[in-house]
Amino acid sequence: GQQVMQIPQYQHVQEGEDFTTYCNSSTTLSNIQWYKQRPGGHPVFLIQLVKSGEVKKQKRLTFQFGEAKKNSSLHITATQTTDVGTYFCAPRSSNTGKLIFGQGTTLQVKP
Amino acid sequence: DTGVSQDPRHKITKRGQNVTFRCDPISEHNRLYWYRQTLGQGPEFLTYFQNEAQLEKSRLLSDRFSAERPKGSFSTLEIQRTEQGDSAMYLCASSSGASSSWEQYFGPGTRLTVT
Repeated sequence: GQQVMQIPQYQHVQEGEDFTTYCNSSTTLSNIQWYKQRPGGHPVFLIQLVKSGEVKKQKRLTFQFGEAKKNSSLHITATQTTDVGTYFCAPRSSNTGKLIFGQGTTLQVKP
Repeated sequence: DTGVSQDPRHKITKRGQNVTFRCDPISEHNRLYWYRQTLGQGPEFLTYFQNEAQLEKSRLLSDRFSAERPKGSFSTLEIQRTEQGDSAMYLCASSSGASSSWEQYFGPGTRLTVT
């Protein structure tokens, strides 16, 4: 079945520094979703990417889907303490919609 | 509050006991999912309902686990003869089949501790 690997598993940055997490699959994905989970919270939907080479921006967050649709990335510019949490990538099954989550990248931001 | 709700939020039980969790999805969301999340891991898919029909079950879902969604509204997840390995956060999510993004809205979860 589909599996995705995320790197790094943990990242500590100083506030204001940039942050990137990578999501890699051995198989071609039809789409990828990204979720954020704050400490003690539940996953919250950020975005869905479906097209090869797609780039989407949400304020300081930039999401990319690789040309071969086997990888994706999330880049945060000038991190803030509110960015703290775990970021998950998750391909979505085309027929049932179930999500297959990666293990996530946990971001810590030092003020 | 019109989000996904789950009850109870916390459950402590002794090994061998049965437990039941409830999920109330966003009204009119016809798709409902159960996931399980352990510390340091991403949520793992357990089962999926479209309306009242259970259309997919993970191999993770042993015969001790059963889920229902009568009338296509709320859902229950029951674990029989609980084991310590069942300790986890059980998350429910719902989505609208009408949404082009199929984004899932998660509830706050039920944290199960089996002693």
